[in-house]
Formats: sequence, C-alpha cells, structure tokens
Amino acid sequence: DAGVTQSPTHLIKTRGQQVTLRCSPKSGHDTVSWYQQALGQGPQFIFQYYEEEERQRGNFPDRFSGHQFPNYSSELNVNALLLGDSALYLCASSSGQRHYEQYFGPGTRLTVT
Amino acid sequence: GENVEQHPSTLSVQEGDSAVIKCTYSDSASNYFPWYKQELGKGPQLIIDIRSNVGEKKDQRIAVTLNKTAKHFSLHITETQPEDSAVYFCAATLPNAGNMLTFGGGTRLMVKP
Repeated sequence: DAGVTQSPTHLIKTRGQQVTLRCSPKSGHDTVSWYQQALGQGPQFIFQYYEEEERQRGNFPDRFSGHQFPNYSSELNVNALLLGDSALYLCASSSGQRHYEQYFGPGTRLTVT
Repeated sequence: GENVEQHPSTLSVQEGDSAVIKCTYSDSASNYFPWYKQELGKGPQLIIDIRSNVGEKKDQRIAVTLNKTAKHFSLHITETQPEDSAVYFCAATLPNAGNMLTFGGGTRLMVKP
C-alpha cells in the first residue's frame, strides 16, 4: 500500500520565479492538505482540497494556489517566489470517513536564492 | 484562531528512562489532538492521537493524556530507545476547521544509549 508521495524531492529556484509541487495521496484517500515547514518550526497549514475544490485556507497570500485532479492528486503552485518561501513543503492526505487522521508525505525541500 | 505551545524544545534522556512532552492549546473548542514524530529528512509520522471525549489513550510504550479544563495534553514515552530520537510535534484542530492542524513548535528528543 503506497503512502503519500511527493515530487520533486528537492528544488532550487530564483527569486521571482514560479514553482509547482506535486502530491499523490495515500491509496483510498480523497482529501489533500498542504503545509509549509520552515527550518526548526512546526508545519503551517496552507490549504486543503476535497472534491477538486479548495475547502479551507490558512494565512497564506494569493501567490500560493493549488489544484486537485479527479484522481485526488494535487499540485501546489507558488508565484513570484520570495527568499522567505524557502521551506519544506508537506502534503498530507486523509479520507472522508476518518478525515482527522492525516498522513504526511516526505516533503519537497524548496530553496529560493 | 487556535494557538499551540509545546515544551520543552529539547529533551535529553538516558535509554530506558521515560520522556514527557507537554502542549497547551488556546481554543477550548478544539476536539482532536494528534502527535507526530519527524525523523531527519522525512515527513511527520502520526504516532498517536486523542479526541476530546477521551482522557487518556495508550499504545504500547506511548501514551497521551488530555486535560480539557486546563487545555493541555501530554505525550508520554516509556522505556525509551535510541530509535525514539526524533523531533516530536503536537497539534490540535477545531471542529469547524475541517482537518486543518495547528502545530506546536516541536520537541527534539535525544535518547542516549
């Protein structure tokens, strides 16, 4: 049973560029949430997707956007990258019946130079 | 919104000793409290969780206690082993926030052989 997978593992971008990160949820899960984890801190909620719609959003600017596909996989897009966007981006999935239990992927390490 | 504080930030114990990590939350309506273990280079792994209608939950060497009146919950690890060394995060979620998790700042646990 495959867990949550994310790609790419690492990414280096220049300030002002745009980036797309990808996530495939755990088998049987239909809800995907994205979190940003700065070095030495706890993850911070960005947004959540269910039924291909953004259902909940944290305190992040509109530069952060996402998408969920019919197969429940998801993308996180960040425009106009800032140095402060450097972080580990985590994807978590859950299922409708046990939606509280979230399972995280290994993350994508984004470095903005 | 919810705010979660976690203590201590670092904890060093001798193998075989017990470790206790404490968290407080701000919103009395929070109803779900998971604990995650994050090893270097990996995403957070759900190790145990508790709901607001339960005071204590145990799973082998790990236990979590919840005091709703005081708005705090704790993780207890008995008979610690070197492989328990990791960063541990507590989190909380509100019933009207979907499954948006608010995380504490993390505790780095070091188990010395």
